[in-house]
Amino acid sequence: DIQLTQSPSSLSASFGDRVTITCRSSQRIDKYLNWYQQKPGKAPKLLIYSASNLQSGVPSRFSGSGSGTDFTLTISSLQPEDFATYYCQQSYNTPPWTFGQGTRVEVK
Amino acid sequence: EVQLVESGGGLVQPGGSLRLSCAGSGFTFSAYGINWVRQAPGKGLEWVSYISGSGSAIYYADSVKGRFTISRDNAKNSVFLQMNSPRAEDTAIYYCTRIEMITIFDNWGQGTLVTVSS
Repeated sequence: DIQLTQSPSSLSASFGDRVTITCRSSQRIDKYLNWYQQKPGKAPKLLIYSASNLQSGVPSRFSGSGSGTDFTLTISSLQPEDFATYYCQQSYNTPPWTFGQGTRVEVK
Repeated sequence: EVQLVESGGGLVQPGGSLRLSCAGSGFTFSAYGINWVRQAPGKGLEWVSYISGSGSAIYYADSVKGRFTISRDNAKNSVFLQMNSPRAEDTAIYYCTRIEMITIFDNWGQGTLVTVSS
């Protein structure tokens, strides 16, 4: 199975900070990499699909990049509503599809 | 508006059985694959099972293979997850998700909690 490793596992940041989260795959997955945001007690929400495409309705301060094995989610200017846990997820080829372990973004 | 609503969760004894349902609305249900994804308390997300729009393609995670069965009834806009012989480690919130372009989990339900305990 394809393993996804996110780093860091958690981070502390302030309003307005630029935040970068990385996701590394155990094998090449082209651009079949999605990013989700989850707030406490809520279902995950799709932010970025196919590595770099912004889902409709998601603020433009979120962006994604990468292909192959290394991917990045960037929040250009952290807003209060962005404090949450972020997951990467691969859907390369047939299942099993896997998620990263998550990155918790906390208030500094 | 796309909506997915899970139901059927609750307390089940180890070795028992439980059937989860996912009802979809606001889209052409038979045109989309549906996943089940779960989240154990305080843990991350785990993909569980997938069924294609027609029901002809089905996949399971190794952790549930042979115990869980996914199915769908497109006339009722519903997908089901039959959980047989559940174990304590199956305790989780179970989400159903719609699949867009075969690779994107674009819409999620609110989840249903399954607790496996005697």
